[in-house]
Amino acid sequence: NAGVTQTPKFRVLKTGQSMTLLCAQDMNHEYMYWYRQDPGMGLRLIHYSVGEGTTAKGEVPDGYNVSRLKKQNFLLGLESAAPSQTSVYFCAGKTRGPNYGYTFGSGTRLTVV
Amino acid sequence: QQQVKQSPQSLIVQKGGISIINCAYENTAFDYFPWYQQFPGKGPALLIAIRPDVSEKKEGRFTISFNKSAKQFSLHIMDSQPGDSATYFCAASMDFGNEKLTFGTGTRLTIIP
Repeated sequence: NAGVTQTPKFRVLKTGQSMTLLCAQDMNHEYMYWYRQDPGMGLRLIHYSVGEGTTAKGEVPDGYNVSRLKKQNFLLGLESAAPSQTSVYFCAGKTRGPNYGYTFGSGTRLTVV
Repeated sequence: QQQVKQSPQSLIVQKGGISIINCAYENTAFDYFPWYQQFPGKGPALLIAIRPDVSEKKEGRFTISFNKSAKQFSLHIMDSQPGDSATYFCAASMDFGNEKLTFGTGTRLTIIP
């Protein structure tokens, strides 16, 4: 039972390069989220999905795109990486219904040089 | 704008003491208030949560106190232990947690022997 799995765990990109972060879950979560964590700023929502085929913008969506073609996968893309996107990225899943908490992955540390 | 304000940013408590972390929110539509605990290199994990129809919720050594009129809630850790050393995030959501979570900026708690 893997829960929420993020790949890769670490990545270094050059400015202007593109990459995709993968989040996979085996908990049948309807909802999935991408957050970024920066020192002193907590967790900020980038994009989220309330079901297969749906996505919505969060608090800090600029420079990112997402897709949820299958219920178990939520992809976060950076088309042209910038140093400001250096961060730790967390994916989370949630079961629909009251009072269910988020299940987070272990994070991806991304450095853009 | 920051809808959930958390303090202090860091906290050092002696083993056996009481750790107190405070949060304040602005949106009166919030109706679900969880706390998450994060250890280094890991994703946040749900610790305890409260809804505004009660003023206090206790689970073991962890207690949430909620003041609806003041729009404030706090986490109390009784008999703090070195294993409690972690970063703690408060959060808030609408629709009993079905809406996306807004996180505070985090508190790094260190328990010293």
